[in-house]
Amino acid sequence: AQRVTQPEKLLSVFKGAPVELKCNYSYSGSPELFWYVQYSRQRLQLLLRHISRESIKGFTADLNKGETSFHLKKPFAQEEDSAMYYCALSYWNYGQNFVFGPGTRLSVLP
Amino acid sequence: DTAVSQTPKYLVTQMGNDKSIKCEQNLGHDTMYWYKQDSKKFLKIMFSYNNKELIINETVPNRFSPKSPDKAHLNLHINSLELGDSAVYFCASSLTMLWGSTDTQYFGPGTRLTVL
Repeated sequence: AQRVTQPEKLLSVFKGAPVELKCNYSYSGSPELFWYVQYSRQRLQLLLRHISRESIKGFTADLNKGETSFHLKKPFAQEEDSAMYYCALSYWNYGQNFVFGPGTRLSVLP
Repeated sequence: DTAVSQTPKYLVTQMGNDKSIKCEQNLGHDTMYWYKQDSKKFLKIMFSYNNKELIINETVPNRFSPKSPDKAHLNLHINSLELGDSAVYFCASSLTMLWGSTDTQYFGPGTRLTVL
């Protein structure tokens, strides 16, 4: 079955420190992976998706099919990065399906 | 312009009542979803509709019934509300691309449901 895991429920880093939010997935086909961010009491919004290979707000993520991972990285964390981050897997099965990981709360300390 | 909108934003009600949450998207998408986010922030898909047809119905109680009058709207009706239904409900939409391809979901602002 398709599954997304995010091992850290909470990740605290100091401002200016590098940050890495881990995401692993299980899917036998060709995955499409996303990172969504949810700032306090706001809607989820797309941060980035692996097929676009772009950097948003300084974040990058590389799909590693060998390790079935899609970790989110930023070299220098900012306080405004504090939010919930969800890794999501999309796949096709008689329609578009999404599976979200449990989320990681990132707290960037001053 | 708001891409995906939900009403109401907050909903407080008593156990046993019936309530509805409305969702509308103006993006021209043909797939819409309902998610439940619990107090621990777990996000779980409940339903998915593609061109007004149900394509996912996860193991949610049949007290929950999605209704899609057209592809721009997916409303969620809940009968006999229970305490455990308290959560934030998010609507989302996406564009179905060619078979085997997927597109980004756009989320609504959420509806915070509190059952007393």
